[in-house]
Amino acid sequence: DQQVKQNSPSLSVQEGRISILNCDYTNSMFDYFLWYKKYPAEGPTFLISISSIKDKNEDGRFTVFLNKSAKHLSLHIVPSQPGDSAVYFCAASWGGATNKLIFGTGTLLAVQP
Amino acid sequence: DAGVIQSPRHEVTEMGQEVTLRCKPISGHNSLFWYRQTMMRGLELLIYFNNNVPIDDSGMPEDRFSAKMPNASFSTLKIQPSEPRDSAVYFCASSLKLAGDYEQYFGPGTRLTVT
Repeated sequence: DQQVKQNSPSLSVQEGRISILNCDYTNSMFDYFLWYKKYPAEGPTFLISISSIKDKNEDGRFTVFLNKSAKHLSLHIVPSQPGDSAVYFCAASWGGATNKLIFGTGTLLAVQP
Repeated sequence: DAGVIQSPRHEVTEMGQEVTLRCKPISGHNSLFWYRQTMMRGLELLIYFNNNVPIDDSGMPEDRFSAKMPNASFSTLKIQPSEPRDSAVYFCASSLKLAGDYEQYFGPGTRLTVT
């Protein structure tokens, strides 16, 4: 059973516009969330994270929003650039004694020039 | 730092053969994770170690899969015997387990093809 879900396998956006990637989770015990970016033939790399005590975290063009009541988070990329084309994975953790992450299935973002 | 190192990068083998994947974590990291990436399940955690000790192997699909971490700088994931459904990309990741720090650093992966 998939505790972290990314329901959109792919997304296509024009360069300069906003990209919005969505992620839903089912376990209310998750208290830390991360986004990873993956290029072909490379391992995933950390992009941005958010603690459950916050509802927004911003880093340059990337902003993550967390809606705990809806068990939903989203990653906004503004403005989108062709170099942002990659697979984006959402991940969640319980915190505490474990540093284990549960990943979603990923969303392939294509930014068209 | 060289980052997480995995070998081989590509492995093609026949069904029934033994396959060994290798990982060298980032020096100083005390947690190591093995993942498998498939289209259907995304990044699936197979097993992870803290201070060389296996903590959670609930993701290991079958007894055909085994993992070891004999020291802080080396880990192996073995599949014996391999089957075509094991074909996937296998990632190793490491992290420094600290309170409030969950970031993991991934290697480039091993693409396994079992024919």
